[in-house]
Amino acid sequence: EAGVAQSPRYKIIEKRQSVAFWCNPISGHATLYWYQQILGQGPKLLIQFQNNGVVDDSQLPKDRFSAERLKGVDSTLKIQPAKLEDSAVYLCASSLSGGGTDTQYFGPGTRLTVL
Amino acid sequence: GQQVMQIPQYQHVQEGEDFTTYCNSSTTLSNIQWYKQRPGGHPVFLIQLVKSGEVKKQKRLTFQFGEAKKNSSLHITATQTTDVGTYFCAAPNDYKLSFGAGTTVTVRA
Repeated sequence: EAGVAQSPRYKIIEKRQSVAFWCNPISGHATLYWYQQILGQGPKLLIQFQNNGVVDDSQLPKDRFSAERLKGVDSTLKIQPAKLEDSAVYLCASSLSGGGTDTQYFGPGTRLTVL
Repeated sequence: GQQVMQIPQYQHVQEGEDFTTYCNSSTTLSNIQWYKQRPGGHPVFLIQLVKSGEVKKQKRLTFQFGEAKKNSSLHITATQTTDVGTYFCAAPNDYKLSFGAGTTVTVRA
């Protein structure tokens, strides 16, 4: 079974530039998550999709971050414009049905450096 | 929202020794999950505990859920270099999972 795919793996941009990340979840998984993980901290949920609907985006900085999951499969996360404090690893995860008991499967992440 | 606190933040262990890391909540949890993240890697699911007082073992790893379902522990026996990484506990918070800050384990050979 293929795992969660993410690209790119690394990205370096200057502040005020824009960047986009892509995620392809495990086939058949209805729920997709985007997390931000700052060095030395646990993953922080940015947005959770159930199929192509948003379940939770309470911690997404909506003035600069946006995400979509068209057709309930792949997802993109965009930052525009980027700030220095956005430097982090952005992890995508998926689970079969969502909720607090589901096992989440994480992709390799995208390491973003904002200069 | 639901938060879990993990202690210690760092654990430096001599190879071959045992250690325990803890995950605590102020409220009763329906379940708790544990994940491991190797250096430079991504979190990987280890186990889920659901029942009060539940104990599960995976080789040298023993996971326990407290009787009051407010805390959990991970005990590693005879630590090996392969145990290096950060161990996260995660608990449900409405429809989402809230992760603790993790315990980062280093091993002295």
